[in-house]
Amino acid sequence: EDQVTQSPEALRLQEGESSSLNCSYTVSGLRGLFWYRQDPGKGPEFLFTLYSAGEEKEKERLKATLTKKESFLHITAPKPEDSATYLCAVQAGNQFYFGTGTSLTVIP
Amino acid sequence: KAGVTQTPRYLIKTRGQQVTLSCSPISGHRSVSWYQQTPGQGLQFLFEYFSETQRNKGNFPGRFSGRQFSNSRSEMNVSTLELGDSALYLCASSFTGEEGYTFGSGTRLTVV
Repeated sequence: EDQVTQSPEALRLQEGESSSLNCSYTVSGLRGLFWYRQDPGKGPEFLFTLYSAGEEKEKERLKATLTKKESFLHITAPKPEDSATYLCAVQAGNQFYFGTGTSLTVIP
Repeated sequence: KAGVTQTPRYLIKTRGQQVTLSCSPISGHRSVSWYQQTPGQGLQFLFEYFSETQRNKGNFPGRFSGRQFSNSRSEMNVSTLELGDSALYLCASSFTGEEGYTFGSGTRLTVV
């Protein structure tokens, strides 16, 4: 069964404390893996697309990496404004599968 | 540039009724996809339209349908509403569908 699992469900960090979010997937025919950020009451905001194992992308304090079974979203020296739910999604064949997200809280 | 616009923002319907939600994509975007978001299930893919044709479809019953017009605007229809259809319905657009999608703010549907 195609599945996307994110961990941890929730993460509290002190400002400046770097960490990583995990997205593991079991799908056949991976076409792309997407990371989104979602703030309360808003739709997800696109961050990255990764297509093949070994690929990495960076944007400000965020860096996404991809292996054959999982993806990591590394957050370096986070700030309170990075607090949000981070969603991972996988496109496999003609389907899109989302994880349930990691709720990140960065404490000043 | 204008983002993805969804109307209405909030909607309350009675069980058994039907509802139509509207989505205006970013200008130039030809791919429009729809998602249902609930606290228990998270985001679930409903369907995707590209150039007026349904290109992909998730695992939802036939009560959920959609269409896309020649100007790429899309509508989603849910017939015979059930209490479990209460959710945030999100629309997202993309130029081709292969890169990341831009999401709207959603329509909050409550079925009573």
